[in-house]
Amino acid sequence: DVKVTQSSRYLVKRTGEKVFLECVQDMDHENMFWYRQDPGLGLRLIYFSYDVKMKEKGDIPEGYSVSREKKERFSLILESASTNQTSMYLCASSLGQEAFFGQGTRLTVV
Amino acid sequence: QQPVQSPQAVILREGEDAVINCSSSKALYSVHWYRQKHGEAPVFLMILLKGGEQKGHDKISASFNEKKQQSSLYLTASQLSYSGTYFCGTKNGGATNKLIFGTGTLLAVQP
Repeated sequence: DVKVTQSSRYLVKRTGEKVFLECVQDMDHENMFWYRQDPGLGLRLIYFSYDVKMKEKGDIPEGYSVSREKKERFSLILESASTNQTSMYLCASSLGQEAFFGQGTRLTVV
Repeated sequence: QQPVQSPQAVILREGEDAVINCSSSKALYSVHWYRQKHGEAPVFLMILLKGGEQKGHDKISASFNEKKQQSSLYLTASQLSYSGTYFCGTKNGGATNKLIFGTGTLLAVQP
């Protein structure tokens, strides 16, 4: 069975902290994605990676960075967390057609 | 850049039909449809590629009009299990696998 695993389901962090969200897939997929989901705004793409060390900005990259040192792992970094980054974060991976999602990380920044 | 979906929400009775639309301001290479049940991850329904094809998936089908840069998802004789939020995802070129999702449509099917 295909699996995309996000390291935490729930996370509470303080304003100004550096936050790491980890995502691991076991399908040898080249493409990995980070989205944030907010009510009424759908799924917004933060960053996309199409290979190890390769990345592309999505629609809302400000305040975020990413790291892909190994094919199976894609990390989202909040350099200095702010309250407006409180959201549900979803990671996905795909070969090109069907994308598989992780269960999401609900991040609250206080 | 996000595709726009309409309606934002729809309430149906079991057995009724629904149409969800997805419209992009950019040329589309492919359209992908997903359903997300409450508290769960989005799950792939189907993909439509350039060429205006229509695809089916049980009583759920979709069409893709690349000239109009639009896709529609058709849910026929809806069941309670169809409830959830539907997202269209789009890719704008053959060379990229960047997948942009729309704003979502909440579908509630009542007994």
